[in-house]
Amino acid sequence: QVQLVQSGAEVARPGASVQISCRASGYTFTKKNAIHWLRQVPGQSLEWMGWINTGNGNPKYSQTFRDRVNITRDTSTTTIYMELRDLTSDDTAVYYCAIGGSPLWQHWGQGALVTVSS
Amino acid sequence: IQMTQSPASLSTSSGDRVTITCQASQDIRTNLNWFQQKKGRAPKLLISDASTLQSGVPSRFDGGGSGTHFSLVISDLHPDDFGTYFCVQYENLPYTFGQGTALEIK
Repeated sequence: QVQLVQSGAEVARPGASVQISCRASGYTFTKKNAIHWLRQVPGQSLEWMGWINTGNGNPKYSQTFRDRVNITRDTSTTTIYMELRDLTSDDTAVYYCAIGGSPLWQHWGQGALVTVSS
Repeated sequence: IQMTQSPASLSTSSGDRVTITCQASQDIRTNLNWFQQKKGRAPKLLISDASTLQSGVPSRFDGGGSGTHFSLVISDLHPDDFGTYFCVQYENLPYTFGQGTALEIK
């Protein structure tokens, strides 16, 4: 079955970077060819960060994160990576990956809590 | 595109019928999904394309609307229907969510 398994919780210092991985399985990685990243600050709604075309590796980012985020993929391991730089306490959130396509976001990773604290 | 979702919270009883609405700041055709989220879990897709019920989702859930006004109706509420419900538009980037409706079953 389709599965997205994310890396574990992270604690990072302000100003540092964090990288979260999302390993996809159960489908042809380059056919359902979009993985999105979203985040959810505790107690708030969700926020879309960007997505990557897993076929050609082209990313597209939300303007909100454009200067600080990098989404990449490794087709050999069917893993997608999201790096967020210059962290502040406002970046403390649960980060999710989800499969694009139609329907949008039918399958999600389990989420990874990132805590930014000095 | 701004998504205005209401109400922010609902406290209801089993067997009741509730309506959650989302209003888009511009025409999004039917490019809207509804999700249910339980505490500590990833969102679960309930309805895509404004009205397409996902496999395995009870027919008590009904989505409707197009353009700028959308609704999610849940009939005959079950205790397991508690959680937070979100709408999201995918007409234009950046995809944007409503603020969520927290549903409590008394």
